[in-house]
Amino acid sequence: DTGVSQNPRHKITKRGQNVTFRCDPISEHNRLYWYRQTLGQGPEFLTYFQNEAQLEKSRLLSDRFSAERPKGSFSTLEIQRTEQGDSAMYLCASSYTGQYQETQYFGPGTRLLVL
Amino acid sequence: GDSVTQMEGPVTLSEEAFLTINCTYTATGYPSLFWYVQYPGEGLQLLLKATKADDKGSNKGFEATYRKETTSFHLEKGSVQVSDSAVYFCALSTYNQGGKLIFGQGTELSVKP
Repeated sequence: DTGVSQNPRHKITKRGQNVTFRCDPISEHNRLYWYRQTLGQGPEFLTYFQNEAQLEKSRLLSDRFSAERPKGSFSTLEIQRTEQGDSAMYLCASSYTGQYQETQYFGPGTRLLVL
Repeated sequence: GDSVTQMEGPVTLSEEAFLTINCTYTATGYPSLFWYVQYPGEGLQLLLKATKADDKGSNKGFEATYRKETTSFHLEKGSVQVSDSAVYFCALSTYNQGGKLIFGQGTELSVKP
């Protein structure tokens, strides 16, 4: 068990460009969550998957954001036409729903800077 | 909607001092409560959790008790170390909301030798 991994760890892009982040969850975990964390704030929920189905999207997730989890394994988060306000740490977490209240395990995050 | 409120930081303590970080919550259901810690340059790590009223979570000398009557989950440690310097986040999740975590704003702790 190598934990949750995220790539890249850092991304610098120019405004208007598209970016894609990847998350590899813990192998037996069926739920995968995406959060966004800005400086000095707690993480905010963006979206989550159970297996390959995307079950909820936050109001924070504008039309420029899209997430996928093909085959219920890794997930990608794409931001189209990036804006400076998208600069943040993007966190991925995974969990297993076999227990009543599952525990989410977080990856190291991808830090995005939009110039 | 559900929310979590933490005491504001930063908190600066001397080594071996007693630590309390206050956390209160608002929830419509019966949440589970968590403390996560974020060390400089690292991701979030689960520190402890409690899933029902009066449960006490504990780990690495840290403790927190789920108090339904005061809707609180304060984090305590009897003797802090320099290595405890980090940002601490209180969070809740409810099963009927898909288990998503709702976080407080975080409290930065700095422990001086």
